[in-house]
Amino acid sequence: DTGVSQDPRHKITKRGQNVTFRCDPISEHNRLYWYRQTLGQGPEFLTYFQNEAQLEKSRLLSDRFSAERPKGSFSTLEIQRTEQGDSAMYLCASSLGQGAYSPLHFGNGTRLTVT
Amino acid sequence: DQQVKQNSPSLSVQEGRISILNCDYTNSMFDYFLWYKKYPAEGPTFLISISSIKDKNEDGRFTVFLNKSAKHLSLHIVPSQPGDSAVYFCAASSGSARQLTFGSGTQLTVLP
Repeated sequence: DTGVSQDPRHKITKRGQNVTFRCDPISEHNRLYWYRQTLGQGPEFLTYFQNEAQLEKSRLLSDRFSAERPKGSFSTLEIQRTEQGDSAMYLCASSLGQGAYSPLHFGNGTRLTVT
Repeated sequence: DQQVKQNSPSLSVQEGRISILNCDYTNSMFDYFLWYKKYPAEGPTFLISISSIKDKNEDGRFTVFLNKSAKHLSLHIVPSQPGDSAVYFCAASSGSARQLTFGSGTQLTVLP
């Protein structure tokens, strides 16, 4: 068990470009979450998958954002036509979604800088 | 509307003394509460949790207290160690998705 893995760790892009991030959850975890964190704030919920189904999306997730989790394993988060306001740390987390409450386990995040 | 609030952005404590971090919430639907610790350039790490049916949970040097009537929880670290220096986030959970709502964090500095 190597924990939640995110790639890349850092991404610098120009405004208007598309970017894609990848998350590999802990292998036996069926729930996967994406969060966004800006400086001085706590992580904010973006979206959630139970296996391959995307079950909940925050209003923070604009039409430019899309997330997938094919086959219920890894997940990708794509941001189209990036804006400077998208600059943030994007965190992925996973948990077991059955039985007693299972805390979310976070990866080390992808830091996005939009210039 | 911030549903989870950590009103102290920073706290300094001498090594060996007790650290007390506080958190307030407004949403009565929250039924599980957690504390996460975050070092720079790393993701948040789960520390300790408490269900709304309890008022105290202890794990080694860490104890979380929940006061439902006041909608308040606190994390006690005793004795504090320099390695405890980090940002501490309070989080609350509700709903079938079990998503977390986080506070803005408290930077704890333990002075040797």
